Amino acid sequence: AQSVTQLGSHVSVSEGALVLLRCNYSSSVPPYLFWYVQYPNQGLQLLLKYTSAATLVKGINGFEAEFKKSETSFHLTKPSAHMSDAAEYFCAVSGKGSGGSYIPTFGRGTSLIVHP
Amino acid sequence: EAGVAQSPRYKIIEKRQSVAFWCNPISGHATLYWYQQILGQGPKLLIQFQNNGVVDDSQLPKDRFSAERLKGVDSTLKIQPAKLEDSAVYLCASSRLAGGSGELFFGEGSRLTVL
Repeated sequence: AQSVTQLGSHVSVSEGALVLLRCNYSSSVPPYLFWYVQYPNQGLQLLLKYTSAATLVKGINGFEAEFKKSETSFHLTKPSAHMSDAAEYFCAVSGKGSGGSYIPTFGRGTSLIVHP
Repeated sequence: EAGVAQSPRYKIIEKRQSVAFWCNPISGHATLYWYQQILGQGPKLLIQFQNNGVVDDSQLPKDRFSAERLKGVDSTLKIQPAKLEDSAVYLCASSRLAGGSGELFFGEGSRLTVL
């Protein structure tokens, strides 16, 4: 069975500082990996997706993530935080289930707080 | 293109009552998902459909929850009877790709409060 661990339920940074949100996964086969963002009272929307084409994936709003197979990690970074980045961030892994289809599993989420 | 539509947005019921949620996915999307998101937690997959067949429902409490996707398009999720612990946001998502490997497009969710 696959699982996703997001370290830290809350991350607080100052505006302009580096953002680092951590995600580790377990999967028996190479999975598809995603980061989603959820703004208050809105649905989740895709930030970026890893599909084995490149280990460094660039997403929207200046975010990027690096796939490290040896560490089973897919951490999300942004060089300079903006106030508008304050939201809930979810890491997700889609690995093959027993029936052969990919089953998307989400982490618990990390709330990003940005201070002026 | 129109996004994933869900209704109702909010529902308050008493325990042991029943409730139904409706989802209309993006046109042409093969895969449809229902997730349960309890406050402070990540979305938990309840059921995954590919067209009108069930791919995974291993975490669906089948004694009280049921879901169907008629004609491979829209879907309903029903809870009967509801318990206090069912209070959550029920998220519907769809994906263009079959098989669960693609991007998920989410609706705004249906927030259920069970008193």
